[in-house]
Amino acid sequence: EAQVTQNPRYLITVTGKKLTVTCSQNMNHEYMSWYRQDPGLGLRQIYYSMNVEVTDKGDVPEGYKVSRKEKRNFPLILESPSPNQTSLYFCASSFYRKVTDTQYFGPGTRLTVL
Amino acid sequence: AQSVTQLGSHVSVSEGALVLLRCNYSSSVPPYLFWYVQYPNQGLQLLLKYTSAATLVKGINGFEAEFKKSETSFHLTKPSAHMSDAAEYFCAVIGPESNYQLIWGAGTKLIIKP
Repeated sequence: EAQVTQNPRYLITVTGKKLTVTCSQNMNHEYMSWYRQDPGLGLRQIYYSMNVEVTDKGDVPEGYKVSRKEKRNFPLILESPSPNQTSLYFCASSFYRKVTDTQYFGPGTRLTVL
Repeated sequence: AQSVTQLGSHVSVSEGALVLLRCNYSSSVPPYLFWYVQYPNQGLQLLLKYTSAATLVKGINGFEAEFKKSETSFHLTKPSAHMSDAAEYFCAVIGPESNYQLIWGAGTKLIIKP
């Protein structure tokens, strides 16, 4: 089944404790992206990657890191989480051969930073 | 810069009534436009998209949207609401002014009254 998976789905952590949220897709997509969703703000892009070893900042990259060592995986790293990073996070992927290619979303990771 | 405005954070309609969710965009050139739906506790999935072909776009689950350049709008409609349509709906735009990254509206939560 074609899908984007994220782990964990729920995470409660404390300020300053490094964490990684994994994202994997099995559709051979070139483009992958991380978003955060906050009430009343819609989705805001954190980082995106056009292909392996190619990443770029989105609208809200501060406090986050990413890497793209393999085509299928795009982990999101919070080196020192803070309470303002409490949010719902989505990973998405697409072929991106055309700008109108559909993005496929993972189920989301709800992160709480105490 | 491109932006998207969704009028109404919550819209409530009775089952069987017309659904109208509003989306206006700002862009100096006609962009590409999307509607995504997010069911409770799930990721987003594509409902429909406008890619400069027909201005009336039909999507899944009986939804459609009309691109109106003169009004810079891309409103989503469905003739008869069903309980299963209860979800959050996001309008998004992409084009040269956003460096071909998706810009998202804040979302509209659709509530269906029995």
